[in-house]
Amino acid sequence: DVLMTQTPVSLPVSLGGQVSISCRSSQSLVHSDGNTYLHWYLQKPGQSPQLLIYRVSNRFSGVPDRFSGSGSGTDFTLKISRVEPEDLGVYYCLQSTHFPPYTFGAGTKLELK
Amino acid sequence: EVQLVESGGGLVQPGRSMKLSCAASGFTFNNYDMAWVCQAPKKGLEWVATISYDGSSTYYRDSVKGRFTISRDNAKSTLYLQMDSLRSEDTATYYCARQRGIKVPFDYWGQGVMVTVSS
Repeated sequence: DVLMTQTPVSLPVSLGGQVSISCRSSQSLVHSDGNTYLHWYLQKPGQSPQLLIYRVSNRFSGVPDRFSGSGSGTDFTLKISRVEPEDLGVYYCLQSTHFPPYTFGAGTKLELK
Repeated sequence: EVQLVESGGGLVQPGRSMKLSCAASGFTFNNYDMAWVCQAPKKGLEWVATISYDGSSTYYRDSVKGRFTISRDNAKSTLYLQMDSLRSEDTATYYCARQRGIKVPFDYWGQGVMVTVSS
């Protein structure tokens, strides 16, 4: 199974600031069709997870452009600029290239300084 | 508006069975693959199972193979998870989620249902 490693585990931030979350996979996420199936989710406190970014850099419907995804191969980054209170929660990366199984990272908790 | 509403959770003894349901609305159910994802208390997310749009293909994580069965009734727009031989380590919140194959997995999620396996 593909191991997804997220860093940091916890990320203190000031409102209005910018942060980056890293996600590394144990093998390349380039699919045989040429696409890379790496996705990002946010789970706000007490809520279900929600899709933010799919296929590395595509924002899902309604996701503000403060969120951006980048990366290739085994190394991926989620950047959040101008952090707002509703951005707080746990962020997860997910790979679907080498399915089954789908594998999530362990999560990064974004919290106020 | 896409809505996924799970039901059927609760407290169950080890070794017993439980069946979860997920009622879908707001989209054409039989056009989408569907999945169950779980989250143990204070832990991260774990994919459990996926079923293709027409029910012809199913996939499971190793730890539930042979014990859990994912199924769907497209006429009722409902997804199911039959959970047999339950273990304490199956204790978790179970979410149903819509999928567009591997390309856009889990784009919409239900509110989740808690399953507690304990004597």
